[in-house]
Amino acid sequence: ILNVEQSPQSLHVQEGDSTNFTCSFPSSNFYALHWYRWETAKSPEALFVMTLNGDEKKKGRISATLNTKEGYSYLYIKGSQPEDSATYLCAPGGNTGKLIFGQGTTLQVKP
Amino acid sequence: EAQVTQNPRYLITVTGKKLTVTCSQNMNHEYMSWYRQDPGLGLRQIYYSMNVEVTDKGDVPEGYKVSRKEKRNFPLILESPSPNQTSLYFCASSLERADQPQHFGDGTRLSIL
Repeated sequence: ILNVEQSPQSLHVQEGDSTNFTCSFPSSNFYALHWYRWETAKSPEALFVMTLNGDEKKKGRISATLNTKEGYSYLYIKGSQPEDSATYLCAPGGNTGKLIFGQGTTLQVKP
Repeated sequence: EAQVTQNPRYLITVTGKKLTVTCSQNMNHEYMSWYRQDPGLGLRQIYYSMNVEVTDKGDVPEGYKVSRKEKRNFPLILESPSPNQTSLYFCASSLERADQPQHFGDGTRLSIL
């Protein structure tokens, strides 16, 4: 797994808006896809780890889907709040333990 | 409290002076990993360890060494630091393998002059 792309690079939304962003990765040698939330001046915090094609995970207002055949994952945030402002990182990995992080999508939610 | 502890949190040092950043976890995790974060480049994996005495190179291992003699500790060693190793470093651990969420330490900001 060499090339991980996240889009958009940054996003500004109003409080209450729902939003989504994409993580694209090569589908060969796929084992697991991680999503992390990274707030400024803190360390990354795990949101989800998904392994199966068609997987959907949910945590409060945040959910994610996975398509391993075409190599993408979507992260959705419903009714964005200012505290959702952070950088969201995805990281696909093979079964060797190696993880490749995307550069992230930085979300800014305006009150 | 379950945590990953890195020390030091901040360090300013000079080129060529060997340094070690320690990482310790109290969760009995098998898997540990080191990353560096640079502006515009995101998080890049330096080394990882699937278990005691088992370590593997990540994407950017040059200039770094690691060891995993005990399950809880995974120190990062810079034998001869250079300015291009100035960065923010994170240690992380997880239960096992790559399909478990990783717990990150608070980070170590290194400045090599």
